Amino acid sequence: QVTLRESGPALVKPTQTLTLTCTFSGFSLITSGMCVSWIRQPPGKALEWLARIDWDDDTNYSTSLKTRLTISKDTSKNLVVLTMTNMDPVDTATYYCARTTHRGTERVYFDYWGQGTLVTVSS
Amino acid sequence: DIQMTQSPSTLSASVGDRVTITCRASQSISSWLAWYQQKPGKAPKLLIYKASSLESGVPSRFSGSGSGTEFTLTISSLQPDDFATYYCQQYNSRETFGQGTKVEIK
Repeated sequence: QVTLRESGPALVKPTQTLTLTCTFSGFSLITSGMCVSWIRQPPGKALEWLARIDWDDDTNYSTSLKTRLTISKDTSKNLVVLTMTNMDPVDTATYYCARTTHRGTERVYFDYWGQGTLVTVSS
Repeated sequence: DIQMTQSPSTLSASVGDRVTITCRASQSISSWLAWYQQKPGKAPKLLIYKASSLESGVPSRFSGSGSGTEFTLTISSLQPDDFATYYCQQYNSRETFGQGTKVEIK
């Protein structure tokens, strides 16, 4: 059974750095084709993809946020960490992690999601 | 970056209606497109991948079509459980979501 769970602070102050952890089970990030991404959703707004880390340590970032984001993994603990620097109230959102897998030769995106964690940026 | 534009933003429909949502990409993405359903307070759910492949467990009334820059999600007969917001997402170059289409009760 595949599960993902996000954890981190519910409240951060402007200019602080946010650190979120995605703890997963039911798959391994050393398996070829596996990836974990972070996606966020401001209240009442659309989904926004942030970053992805692949089984081979390749990383990709949103062009608009890449200077503020770092994604990393600990395969021994089955977790992925996202850090976002210089937080601002506009970064208030529910942050999700989600899995990407391979089926045969095809990459299948976001077949499993965590339940999300709401992060509020306020002084 | 590839931009994804969905239309309409809101759709009012009745149970039993055939519903079509359109997603346009700012450049060709081949068939690298997925559709998700999201209900309030819940994480999105994958419905369709590679433009037309139905995810396991998703009812067959959902179908996807298109390639290149224009794609559609069709619900053949709208059911009460289908009132939700739908998002398209491209994965040809990094990943980008559309702005969403809310399907509401007419």
